[in-house]
Parts: sequence; structure tokens; C-alpha cells
Amino acid sequence: GENVEQHPSTLSVQEGDSAVIKCTYSDSASNYFPWYKQELGKRPQLIIDIRSNVGEKKDQRIAVTLNKTAKHFSLHITETQPEDSAVYFCAASSLGGYNKLIFGAGTRLAVHP
Amino acid sequence: GAVVSQHPSWVICKSGTSVKIECRSLDFQATTMFWYRQFPKQSLMLMATSNEGSKATYEQGVEKDKFLINHASLTLSTLTVTSAHPEDSSFYICSARARDRGPADTQYFGPGTRLTVL
Repeated sequence: GENVEQHPSTLSVQEGDSAVIKCTYSDSASNYFPWYKQELGKRPQLIIDIRSNVGEKKDQRIAVTLNKTAKHFSLHITETQPEDSAVYFCAASSLGGYNKLIFGAGTRLAVHP
Repeated sequence: GAVVSQHPSWVICKSGTSVKIECRSLDFQATTMFWYRQFPKQSLMLMATSNEGSKATYEQGVEKDKFLINHASLTLSTLTVTSAHPEDSSFYICSARARDRGPADTQYFGPGTRLTVL
């Protein structure tokens, strides 16, 4: 089955700096790659996603890149703000198996003023 | 739009009792619902996938007789933790895929239910 690895597990940056989180996946059939932000005790919030027919997608300060050949995808946050502090999860799914999501282990991002 | 609710938001129960958690899609019909468990400072682990009117598909290592899932309608799925023990204490989150709303692969998450077993 699918396996998703995520790095780093923790990331500390100064306000205004960029943050990059990387994930790799194992199943070449995976074609949907969402990123979620989760605050303590809350539901995961979808912040951006990318599908396998696209290499890069951007939404204001957030961007995601996908390299299908290497089976990895990355989240880029620019001009970080303290409110970006949270745990970020990547995930992967494929059309087979009801599109079930397999999550990475998560990255705890701390943005210091 | 695409709101998923869970009830209760938190529950405390005694060891050996059963607890039922409801997951509802409020403004859409869900083709598939998923149940996840999240231990403190860990990731979301998929427990099972359920489709309306059919048996749930459990992930490897998840006891189907302990975690009973019923998906009686296109807007409601329930998870019953039977004979709960302290090690079942966790954050249980459901999600749903929508019929006829947005991309088919997008999942909408509920707010989660915190279960504490004493």
C-alpha cells in the first residue's frame, strides 16, 4: 500500500522567512496530493492541493510543487507569519480504493515574531 | 458549503462501556465516509472506509468487532467503540467525499471527537 514520508518533523523560522516541507510517496498510482494545516484540538484544514497533471500550484503565500518521476511533493510558505504556526500534514491518494488518504507524519511549524 | 459535523465533540466513559460517535454531512450527500484516529502529537491514521448501504472496509490492524461502523444513509455514518479501554482514548475524526460537489477526491473533515476512557 501507499506510504508517505514527511520531513522535517519540526521547523522553526523567523517571521518573514520562508518554510519548506517535503514529502515522498511510494505508490506511483497516487494522483492527488493535499496539504492540511491542523491547530491543536481542531480538524485538519485543507490549505492547498495538487493533482498529478500539474507540476506546481500557488495560492498567495502558499505553493506546492510535484515531481511525479521522483515521487515527491513539497509545500512552500513565503513571508511566514506567527499565525502560520501549526502542524502541517501532507497526504496522498489514488483513484482506486475510494480515494483514501494516507497521511505523512506531520511537521510542527513554529514562526517566531 | 460542504460541512461535516460530529457528535459528541468530547466524551468520557468508563472502561468496558461502549461509545457511539456520529458523523453527518450537513449540506451534501456523501458517497464515502472515512474514520481516522489521531493520538497526541501523531498523524491521522485511517481506520476504515464506509459506503452507504455496504460493509465498511477496515485497514490492517483495526479490529472490526471492536470498532463498529454503520453507514445507514448518504449523510450519516456512526462509529461505535465497543468495550472501550484506556488505550482507546484518542481523537476520532471523520471525513466525507461529496457526491456532485467539487472534485471527487476532496475530503471534508469533521471537527473530531475526543474520547477519554477511564
